[in-house]
Amino acid sequence: QQKVQQSPESLIVPEGGMASLNCTSSDRNVDYFWWYRQHSGKSPKMLMSIFSNGEKEEGRFTVHLNKASLHTSLHIRDSQPSDSALYLCAASTNTGKLTFGDGTVLTVKP
Amino acid sequence: GALVYQYPRRTICKSGTSMRMECQAVGFQATSVAWYRQSPQKTFELIALSTVNSAIKYEQNFTQEKFPISHPNLSFSSMTVLNAYLEDRGLYLCGARGQGAISNERLFFGHGTKLSVL
Repeated sequence: QQKVQQSPESLIVPEGGMASLNCTSSDRNVDYFWWYRQHSGKSPKMLMSIFSNGEKEEGRFTVHLNKASLHTSLHIRDSQPSDSALYLCAASTNTGKLTFGDGTVLTVKP
Repeated sequence: GALVYQYPRRTICKSGTSMRMECQAVGFQATSVAWYRQSPQKTFELIALSTVNSAIKYEQNFTQEKFPISHPNLSFSSMTVLNAYLEDRGLYLCGARGQGAISNERLFFGHGTKLSVL
């Protein structure tokens, strides 16, 4: 069964700092990685997705993907207290199955 | 825009009873629907996945006998938690995907149904 591992489990960064979150899949059939953010008491909302090797940037958020190692990372620069949330990494295959990791709890301290 | 509605938002049931929850995709034609459970510890588990023209596929540890799902079409899905016990507590999320290649279409989540068991 596919496993999606995220690290660290929790992360505290100062306001304005850089937050870096990691995610690795064990399934060679994975073709897309997704990053979702879930604020407390809310449903997950998609932040970014990536399927090509390399980097994708959207505003303060940058996602990297290394397809050979099935590793993706999410970097948030100039972190804000409103970025404090549970960040979920998910991997999808062409069967439509999306598997989530256990998440990283990010806390941005003012 | 594309939305996924879930009903009810919260529910409390007595141990050993059953409860039904519903999910509706609005504003797009769903091509796949997945039910997830997020435990109180925030761990995500895929319960089952339905895609166009294929049977509902349940994940390990989840069965049709315990979590029967029905949908006249993929834009409307309902799932029942039969004989709910404490370990069934959590947030039940429905995610639906729209038209396009199955893997690269984003999953829209509903707000979830929070199940508490007394």
